[in-house]
Amino acid sequence: QKEVEQNSGPLSVPEGAIASLNCTYSDRGSQSFFWYRQYSGKSPELIMSIYSNGDKEDGRFTAQLNKASQYVSLLIRDSQPSDSATYLCAVYSGGGADGLTFGKGTHLIIQP
Amino acid sequence: GAVVSQHPSRVICKSGTSVKIECRSLDFQATTMFWYRQFPKKSLMLMATSNEGSKATYEQGVEKDKFLINHASLTLSTLTVTSAHPEDSSFYICSASRQGLSETQYFGPGTRLLVL
Repeated sequence: QKEVEQNSGPLSVPEGAIASLNCTYSDRGSQSFFWYRQYSGKSPELIMSIYSNGDKEDGRFTAQLNKASQYVSLLIRDSQPSDSATYLCAVYSGGGADGLTFGKGTHLIIQP
Repeated sequence: GAVVSQHPSRVICKSGTSVKIECRSLDFQATTMFWYRQFPKKSLMLMATSNEGSKATYEQGVEKDKFLINHASLTLSTLTVTSAHPEDSSFYICSASRQGLSETQYFGPGTRLLVL
């Protein structure tokens, strides 16, 4: 069974610091990896996708993928209070329309 | 691009009635649409996956006769909650995948259902 594991938190980070969110997955054949942000009472919003080993940067966000260790992370630089949300890691393992396997999410709190 | 809408955003109904929720991909064709349910402070739970023109695939424990899904076109899927009961009150969220890029899902804004 495909599993995606995240620490539920809450993870508390002071404003301006780097927030580091981690995710591990069980299916070694996984191909695509996504980070979604979900504010309380709202639906998830796609913020990053990554497909190959290494780092991918987009503004204050950096996604890191290590397929050998089956590990994907999200770094948020210069954290802002508006970054406070639940961050969902999602993994696609192929198989057509099987969809994504989601982690349970990490609740991030940025302290002003 | 990749905008998904849902209607209605919020609905209150009496126990025993049926409620229809629409999910539309506004600027792309969605070969696959997904329906999720989320209870307060809980994780997303996938209910079913639907492909245009074929029957939906339901997750274990989800009653297909209670949660009717129709994916009539490449831009529209509907979820009908039949004979709704208070325990069906939840946040229902759809997502859609682009044709040819089946892994990336774009979420709609969700529908909050309250059954009295």
